[in-house]
Amino acid sequence: NAGVTQTPKFQVLKTGQSMTLQCAQDMNHNSMYWYRQDPGMGLRLIYYSASEGTTDKGEVPNGYNVSRLNKREFSLRLESAAPSQTSVYFCASGLNNALYNEQFFGPGTRLTVL
Amino acid sequence: TQLLEQSPQFLSIQEGENLTVYCNSSSVFSSLQWYRQEPGEGPVLLVTVVTGGEVKKLKRLTFQFGDARKDSSLHITAAQPGDTGLYLCAGVAGANNLFFGTGTRLTVIP
Repeated sequence: NAGVTQTPKFQVLKTGQSMTLQCAQDMNHNSMYWYRQDPGMGLRLIYYSASEGTTDKGEVPNGYNVSRLNKREFSLRLESAAPSQTSVYFCASGLNNALYNEQFFGPGTRLTVL
Repeated sequence: TQLLEQSPQFLSIQEGENLTVYCNSSSVFSSLQWYRQEPGEGPVLLVTVVTGGEVKKLKRLTFQFGDARKDSSLHITAAQPGDTGLYLCAGVAGANNLFFGTGTRLTVIP
């Protein structure tokens, strides 16, 4: 099993360009998540999908959109990239357990916006 | 937003030394997790502590959840270079609500 996979691994954009980050999981998890990681700030939740067909905002949703394409795939779109969106983006999946809420992370996408 | 502060932010020690990392919050959590992240990779779950006062041991790593369920600690005995990485605590506040700490970057020097 591959676990959680993300593409691309690296991306450089110019301000105003758009792009979509792809994520897929093969663990049959109901929930999927998108986080961003910035130095000294830990991981912050952008959007999540508790089940196929639903999406909800997290802590920092502005400037992003998401699509839960099916149970396996959850994409993150930047419509008009800004330098403040330079970050490392992680996708995760989990079983949506209220007590344990264990999440499994992909390897990340390193995005630079010039 | 429920903030979790970790201390220290950076820690550099010699192989064989002991260390403790702290994770503190003013919020109460259902449970608390610890993850380790290596360069270029995503975080990997080490443990989940559920009960206030709970202590869990994972080989040389000992995790404790505070009695009030607001704080936690990670103690590593006889650190090894393979322990090098970024350690993140995360508070669970219900399904889909996981709040990460600011992280502790540990370097173990051979």
